[in-house]
Amino acid sequence: DGGITQSPKYLFRKEGQNVTLSCEQNLNHDAMYWYRQDPGQGLRLIYYSQIVNDFQKGDIAEGYSVSRERKESFPLTVTSAQKNPTAFYLCASSIGMDYGYTFGSGTRLTVV
Amino acid sequence: KQEVTQIPAALSVPEGENLVLNCSFTDSAIYNLQWFRQDPGKGLTSLLLIQSSQREQTSGRLNASLDKSSGRSTLYIAASQPGDSATYLCAVPSNDYKLSFGAGTTVTVRA
Repeated sequence: DGGITQSPKYLFRKEGQNVTLSCEQNLNHDAMYWYRQDPGQGLRLIYYSQIVNDFQKGDIAEGYSVSRERKESFPLTVTSAQKNPTAFYLCASSIGMDYGYTFGSGTRLTVV
Repeated sequence: KQEVTQIPAALSVPEGENLVLNCSFTDSAIYNLQWFRQDPGKGLTSLLLIQSSQREQTSGRLNASLDKSSGRSTLYIAASQPGDSATYLCAVPSNDYKLSFGAGTTVTVRA
């Protein structure tokens, strides 16, 4: 079945550490996105990519980095510069605006 | 910038009652509108996608209407069940592929 796979489901980060969240899709979608979800704040866009080797900052990109070397993969790195990284991270993809968006099951990141 | 609002923020109903969830948006020049369901600690599951040319879309007990001119969409869930308890989100895409989300309506269906 086609879909989006996010891993790991739970991730713990120590202070000053960089961590990478994985997002893989087999839907053949061109565009991929990373959202952050915090209680009471809804979903906020971190980065998005419309094609391979190209990506743009979203509304809250500071402290995060991404790469898009393959169409199927869009990993998100949470760097030590992100001061409040504890949140639920969601990856999404779309083939185009007319066909809707598909989301993964999320990664919960906690700073310990 | 597109602003999406969902009212009410929370809703509690007895089992069997019909649910009515509202979504409004400020820019009526939309491509489509998508309704999602989110269970606690889980990702978003797409429920319905309504194209801008459509007035409504149906799937089983779910029916979503769209009125572009007034900037509104309504999600109806017939004969609610405890399994319908979740947070429901509506979202509209902008012309740069980004989605604008409402804050969601958290539904509790009491057995």
